[in-house]
Amino acid sequence: KNEVEQSPQNLTAQEGEFITINCSYSVGISALHWLQQHPGGGIVSLFMLSSGKKKHGRLIATINIQEKHSSLHITASHPRDSAVYICAVRKGSQGNLIFGKGTKLSVKP
Amino acid sequence: DVKVTQSSRYLVKRTGEKVFLECVQDMDHENMFWYRQDPGLGLRLIYFSYDVKMKEKGDIPEGYSVSREKKERFSLILESASTNQTSMYLCASSFGAPGAFFGQGTRLTVV
Repeated sequence: KNEVEQSPQNLTAQEGEFITINCSYSVGISALHWLQQHPGGGIVSLFMLSSGKKKHGRLIATINIQEKHSSLHITASHPRDSAVYICAVRKGSQGNLIFGKGTKLSVKP
Repeated sequence: DVKVTQSSRYLVKRTGEKVFLECVQDMDHENMFWYRQDPGLGLRLIYFSYDVKMKEKGDIPEGYSVSREKKERFSLILESASTNQTSMYLCASSFGAPGAFFGQGTRLTVV
């Protein structure tokens, strides 16, 4: 079983819809990252969380440490949000990142 | 802004060739990482380095080696490229915590 599981694997939405991507993990972590990868391949770090909630523009990330679960929300989605969203966790305080397999989001106009 | 630059976006090499993938970061980060990304498998760590001339194996080091002669540069070497090394390669760097600053990726095709 993978230590980091994302759902859904693929997601298609209409422009303007509210989107949620989920990430569950099975190990103790010190931080969780949400990353965005556009079709060209480059990866951008969106959020790093160790507790609570963070907001940046239309993007919101939450984490529940007790439930070992995080969500990434996109409000008022737009076609330019189309990308692969990857959840990654840092195991313990010194471990390397462990990645989920990603969620491919397509937002249709 | 942190900049992590990989030398090539696309690369086509022949089986058996020696291949160098270069990565340079401009923020004096201690930690640098090489990953490969394959469909259905996500990102997997090949090698990482916490300091100049130091290297540690990741999850899938077989068939690869690395070099870190200067702090800003971390090279991934395929000693004898094989078709199963066709993949997207991503470099990352960080200070302190494991890397969240990524390069743009190199899509390598071995024919």
